[in-house]
Amino acid sequence: AQSVTQLGSHVSVSEGALVLLRCNYSSSVPPYLFWYVQYPNQGLQLLLKYTTGATLVKGINGFEAEFKKSETSFHLTKPSAHMSDAAEYFCAARPGSARQLTFGSGTQLTVLP
Amino acid sequence: GAGVSQSPSNKVTEKGKDVELRCDPISGHTALYWYRQSLGQGLEFLIYFQGNSAPDKSGLPSDRFSAERTGGSVSTLTIQRTQQEDSAVYLCASSSPGQGGTEAFFGQGTRLTVV
Repeated sequence: AQSVTQLGSHVSVSEGALVLLRCNYSSSVPPYLFWYVQYPNQGLQLLLKYTTGATLVKGINGFEAEFKKSETSFHLTKPSAHMSDAAEYFCAARPGSARQLTFGSGTQLTVLP
Repeated sequence: GAGVSQSPSNKVTEKGKDVELRCDPISGHTALYWYRQSLGQGLEFLIYFQGNSAPDKSGLPSDRFSAERTGGSVSTLTIQRTQQEDSAVYLCASSSPGQGGTEAFFGQGTRLTVV
């Protein structure tokens, strides 16, 4: 069964610092991969996704993620954190057949002034 | 509508009562999902509808939970004889037909509190 692991339930960075949120998936066949962001009392909003092709994916709000098959990873990065980036981030995977998404447990990002 | 719409946004109910949560997906989206988000539990899959196929109910936690999707559009999640552990945010999502790489669009959720 597909599983998604997010290392670090809470990450704190200073404003302007690099953001790195880690995600690993378990699958012998690389699934489709997604990062979602959830602001307080809101639904989930898609940041970016990897399907096929280029392994470095750019998303909204300056975020990007790199798919590394050899490491079964899909880490999310942003070069310079902004206060508005404070939110919870979820990594998700879906196998090649169009079925349910499997989510990681989420990482709460705090941005310190 | 422009996005996935869920109602009510908040629901407080007494233990033992039945509740119905509604989801109106994006027009044209054939796939519809229900997830539960509990404090400290992350996002838990409940049920998945795809077109006219039999739904995938593998995530429903007990037989008190059921869901239907009428006419391939609106979905209702019903929880019978609610318990305090049912308190959570229930999220609905929909996605368009196509490959598995299509993303799911989420509603803002229904916050259910069982007292």
